[in-house]
Amino acid sequence: SQELEQSPQSLIVQEGKNLTINCTSSKTLYGLYWYKQKYGEGLIFLMMLQKGGEEKSHEKITAKLDEKKQQSSLHITASQPSHAGIYLCGADDGNKLVFGAGTILRVKS
Amino acid sequence: SQTIHQWPATLVQPVGSPLSLECTVEGTSNPNLYWYRQAAGRGLQLLFYSVGIGQISSEVPQNLSASRPQDRQFILSSKKLLLSDSGFYLCAWSVGASGRGETQYFGPGTRLLVL
Repeated sequence: SQELEQSPQSLIVQEGKNLTINCTSSKTLYGLYWYKQKYGEGLIFLMMLQKGGEEKSHEKITAKLDEKKQQSSLHITASQPSHAGIYLCGADDGNKLVFGAGTILRVKS
Repeated sequence: SQTIHQWPATLVQPVGSPLSLECTVEGTSNPNLYWYRQAAGRGLQLLFYSVGIGQISSEVPQNLSASRPQDRQFILSSKKLLLSDSGFYLCAWSVGASGRGETQYFGPGTRLLVL
């Protein structure tokens, strides 16, 4: 079955700094999803990538899927306190999603 | 627009007591429905999914069960809770038949503490 590894497990950045979160798959990715979760709340859908080399952006968040479709990165430009939370990547695995363990992001003001 | 509701938001139950968590979706028809559990320090674990009324697939053997009595209602149950059932339970929905490229949208979650 599909397995996803996220790195780093957690990070603390100064407000205004850029950061990148990685998601690596054990198999070719057919659909890669990025979600954000605040503690004690549900997951908020950010973006979905399907094609090798695809890149999508929403506000200051950019997600990319590599050409081989085995790795995705999430990049935040000029981080703000509102970006703090847990970022999870998920991947299609048959008719379900499997998720990485998540990356905890803290933004210091 | 579509919305998804879960209740209760928080639940504290003694070991051995029964459980019933409810999830309802509005604004869409024939959704695929999912129950996940998120334990402390661990990722999301898919428990059950349903592609239609009365159709339930179980991913993990456990003392939990799921039912889908109506198109947009998904219920997670247990006859006797264990300490290990504590966690954050999330319901999600998607639309589609292929199982790929279907974004899942999550509810607000239910935090369950078994004492």
